[in-house]
Amino acid sequence: DAGVTQSPTHLIKTRGQQVTLRCSPKSGHDTVSWYQQALGQGPQFIFQYYEEEERQRGNFPDRFSGHQFPNYSSELNVNALLLGDSALYLCASSLKTSGTTGELFFGEGSRLTVL
Amino acid sequence: AQSVSQHNHHVILSEAASLELGCNYSYGGTVNLFWYVQYPGQHLQLLLKYFSGDPLVKGIKGFEAEFIKSKFSFNLRKPSVQWSDTAEYFCAAPRGATNKLIFGTGTLLAVQP
Repeated sequence: DAGVTQSPTHLIKTRGQQVTLRCSPKSGHDTVSWYQQALGQGPQFIFQYYEEEERQRGNFPDRFSGHQFPNYSSELNVNALLLGDSALYLCASSLKTSGTTGELFFGEGSRLTVL
Repeated sequence: AQSVSQHNHHVILSEAASLELGCNYSYGGTVNLFWYVQYPGQHLQLLLKYFSGDPLVKGIKGFEAEFIKSKFSFNLRKPSVQWSDTAEYFCAAPRGATNKLIFGTGTLLAVQP
């Protein structure tokens, strides 16, 4: 049973560029959430997708956008990259029906460095 | 605003020492609380969770946590740590009636053999 898989694992971009990160959720899961983890910080919620729509959003600018596909996989897009966007981006999958007590299953993350 | 705070940012222990990592949350109402662990080079994984019932929660690998409502705390404990417990530990809680998690800043635990 595959867990959450993310790609790429590492990437380097320059300021102003755009980046797309990809996530495949754990088998059987229908909800994908994205988190940003800056160095020395805990993960910060970016947004959550369910039924191909953004359902919840954290305090992130519109430069951060996403998509969920019919097979539940998801993409995170960041436009006009800033140095401060350098972080580990984590994808987490879950079951919508598990509510607030449900476990999130995390991928290993995509490490983005913006130069 | 709803928040989760962890007081210990970096803890160094010798093997067999006892561990207690602090976690406090700032809101009332229905409380669900989690501890996640990230071993070196691995993904975040659930250690244990509390959502109702017995305030003493048992998790994997001998960890436990106690929910103390009066203190707004959910401290993580282990009576005797092992070198393999070296990891970063995160306390987390859902924001409101969602499964959007608010994480603490994490505690980096280093266990010396």
